[in-house]
Amino acid sequence: QVQLVQSGAEVMEPGASVKVSCKASGYIFTNYYLQWVRQAPGQGLEWMGWINPNSGATKYAQKFQGRVTMTRDTSISTVYMEFRNLRFTDTATYYCARGPSQWGQGTLIAVSS
Amino acid sequence: DIQMTQSPSSLSASVGDRVTITCRASQAISDSVAWYQQKPGKAPKLLVYGASTLGGGVPSRFSGSGSGTEHTLTISSLQPEDFATYYCHQYYTTAWTFGQGTKVEIK
Repeated sequence: QVQLVQSGAEVMEPGASVKVSCKASGYIFTNYYLQWVRQAPGQGLEWMGWINPNSGATKYAQKFQGRVTMTRDTSISTVYMEFRNLRFTDTATYYCARGPSQWGQGTLIAVSS
Repeated sequence: DIQMTQSPSSLSASVGDRVTITCRASQAISDSVAWYQQKPGKAPKLLVYGASTLGGGVPSRFSGSGSGTEHTLTISSLQPEDFATYYCHQYYTTAWTFGQGTKVEIK
């Protein structure tokens, strides 16, 4: 069955960078875009961008342009989301998703000094 | 980007009530709509995709309908475990967008 397994929670200082991984299994990795969505505490769901695992092409929400980079390693069916210059307001749970019915378990990134 | 305007933002209802939540898209999105239920501290749970197809294991009291720009989630008879926040989601474009959420509270 389709599975997306994300890396574990992290506590980061303001200004730091974090890299979250999302390992896919149960399907042909290069056949489906992977999306990243985040949710701040008590807030709604916010789309961050996508990566095409086949070509490596990406599209980012304008809000995150310049701070986020999505990459992939096809040899291990894994996508990465690197988020730079973290702010307190970036504290959130970050999800990868293949489609509406296939989401990772979420990765909590807490930005704290 | 496609905007998803979800209403109401919150509602109070009693067990057994029929509840309807609506999402209006800023442009036609065919049937590329999903609905999720989320409880505190948990990941969103898929209820409906393709506008009207129930996700696996989802009780039949949940239903989705709509096409074009207007989409609706209905709970036919609210149960105690249904008190949660609900989100609509359009995946018509690869730039996903979500409704703001509807918090369903106990009356």
